[in-house]
Amino acid sequence: NAGVTQTPKFQVLKTGQSMTLQCAQDMNHEYMSWYRQDPGMGLRLIHYSVGAGITDQGEVPNGYNVSRSTTEDFPLRLLSAAPSQTSVYFCASSHRGGGSEQYFGPGTRLTVT
Amino acid sequence: AQTVTQSQPEMSVQEAETVTLSCTYDTSENNYYLFWYKQPPSRQMILVIRQEAYKQQNATENRFSVNFQKAAKSFSLKISDSQLGDTAMYFCAFISSNTGKLIFGQGTTLQVKP
Repeated sequence: NAGVTQTPKFQVLKTGQSMTLQCAQDMNHEYMSWYRQDPGMGLRLIHYSVGAGITDQGEVPNGYNVSRSTTEDFPLRLLSAAPSQTSVYFCASSHRGGGSEQYFGPGTRLTVT
Repeated sequence: AQTVTQSQPEMSVQEAETVTLSCTYDTSENNYYLFWYKQPPSRQMILVIRQEAYKQQNATENRFSVNFQKAAKSFSLKISDSQLGDTAMYFCAFISSNTGKLIFGQGTTLQVKP
């Protein structure tokens, strides 16, 4: 049982490049989400999904796309990277239900130059 | 919109002493949950404690306890007998039973001094 896995752990992009951050979970969780963490701002919700085929926007969705074709995977796509997207990105998953514990991946540190 | 506010960016405490981290939130909903997460230097997010809004009794987990004041929309975390391993950033978080969105505060960096 690997929990929530994220790849890559580190990435450097040039402005305008695109890339996909991968997230996978093996706990059969319905709910998956992406956050970015910036100094002094806590974790901010980018996109989330309550099940395969269903996604919705969080607090800061601009510049990011997601899809959920399977229960296990929830990739985050940066369409055209900007320096403002330099951040640490976390993927999380949980069972549906507000009180369920969210399990977090180890994070991806992304730098856009 | 729901918001979570942690007004103490940094705090420090001597080993073995008690420290309280503050958190306030704003919501018009009645059904929600509150959490405290710990993020050590390893960056891993670890659930510390959880509180259901409909329960009046304050949650406790070993050395960690909360003071949940629903009317005041306050949710503080008390760490007793602080240990060096408690050094971390602590995040207060709110989740609505309706939306399922987890909203975090800005975080409080806690340093436990020997």
